[in-house]
Amino acid sequence: GAVVSQHPSRVICKSGTSVKIECRSLDFQATTMFWYRQFPKKSLMLMATSNEGSKATYEQGVEKDKFLINHASLTLSTLTVTSAHPEDSSFYICSAPTTGTDTQYFGPGTRLTVL
Amino acid sequence: KNQVEQSPQSLIILEGKNCTLQCNYTVSPFSNLRWYKQDTGRGPVSLTIMTFSENTKSNGRYTATLDADTKQSSLHITASQLSDSASYICVAPNTGGFKTIFGAGTRLFVKA
Repeated sequence: GAVVSQHPSRVICKSGTSVKIECRSLDFQATTMFWYRQFPKKSLMLMATSNEGSKATYEQGVEKDKFLINHASLTLSTLTVTSAHPEDSSFYICSAPTTGTDTQYFGPGTRLTVL
Repeated sequence: KNQVEQSPQSLIILEGKNCTLQCNYTVSPFSNLRWYKQDTGRGPVSLTIMTFSENTKSNGRYTATLDADTKQSSLHITASQLSDSASYICVAPNTGGFKTIFGAGTRLFVKA
């Protein structure tokens, strides 16, 4: 099946710094990608929809200036957590649907810890 | 309100036993229903996808059922293995198939 990768798999940063997380579709092109965050023992919560060549669409309550999304190409979307705070510590997962289907393939996730 | 509710919240079974996980959904319009397995610290992996016209679908030891009338789905795991320990998430996309509604998941623990 289709493969979606994320980098890094885990990152630890200091409060106030910015962290960039990459999501790549390895063997297919994705005009749309999705970013989720997941707290321990909780389900995935959609943060934003990343659109290639246009602005991302953010879910209610998600600060677009804090979580910057750039969908630079048909195989890469990046999520930058700016001015990170400890409460931003979470598991961030991206997903991408293959063209012509609505089957989503999830990345392996990125564990962010903000000290 | 579009919702996906799963039960039980968690489940402990012995290796080799069978189990059934439940999912009730109120998503409209309904496109399809999916079950995912998520290992701890990993992204979800698709197990089954069913449209409203499908009643059952199998993937190895995993069998999913769907009752579109009662809006219920179940995931049956046969002859459980230790590696089945994970969270199982029921997912129902609504309009366009992309605005996905996730259930909270059932955490399954398989013990030797």
